[in-house]
Amino acid sequence: GQNIDQPTEMTATEGAIVQINCTYQTSGFNGLFWYQQHAGEAPTFLSYNVLDGLEEKGRFSSFLSRSKGYSYLLLKELQMKDSASYLCAVRGVGNNRKLIWGLGTSLAVNP
Amino acid sequence: ETGVTQTPRHLVMGMTNKKSLKCEQHLGHNAMYWYKQSAKKPLELMFVYNFKEQTENNSVPSRFSPECPNSSHLFLHLHTLQPEDSALYLCASSQAVLSGGASTDTQYFGPGTRLTVL
Repeated sequence: GQNIDQPTEMTATEGAIVQINCTYQTSGFNGLFWYQQHAGEAPTFLSYNVLDGLEEKGRFSSFLSRSKGYSYLLLKELQMKDSASYLCAVRGVGNNRKLIWGLGTSLAVNP
Repeated sequence: ETGVTQTPRHLVMGMTNKKSLKCEQHLGHNAMYWYKQSAKKPLELMFVYNFKEQTENNSVPSRFSPECPNSSHLFLHLHTLQPEDSALYLCASSQAVLSGGASTDTQYFGPGTRLTVL
């Protein structure tokens, strides 16, 4: 089967660093996406990894290890506005390029 | 502003009603998607259109009928829905994936329509 696992909820403090993990078991792999979704709003694209390593984009970084089926999203200098759900999605290969989505991790940033 | 708009934002309908959801993208994309998002469940892909042609129907009940008149517009026609169809319906668009193409086809989402079926 195909499966994406993320923690359901996380809590962190304003100004701190938080790491949100995502593990996947899929029949093929052609990239991993992270999206941010505030309550009642559209998911917004954060990052895309297809090769192993760390991709840094401002306060957000995303890491991928294909051999381990593992990714994480690192959020630095947390702000209250970072309170949101973070969705991990893996894309299949060949003709099946559908995204397989995790349930999302609800992050609460406290003052 | 992600360049993808959806109307209405909220919709309450009875099980015998007929309604339509509308999605419009201003990103120059050629692929459009309908997703269903329910509590405690991952995003469920419903339909995919590439260059106005439906390329994916993820075993969606016939009471949901999509329509894609052009690459910028996507509709979801609703008829005789059930209470369990209550959910957030999200539209997304991306570059179309051509055979052998190298596009990352990142999907960009609209704000969704919150549907409640009574």
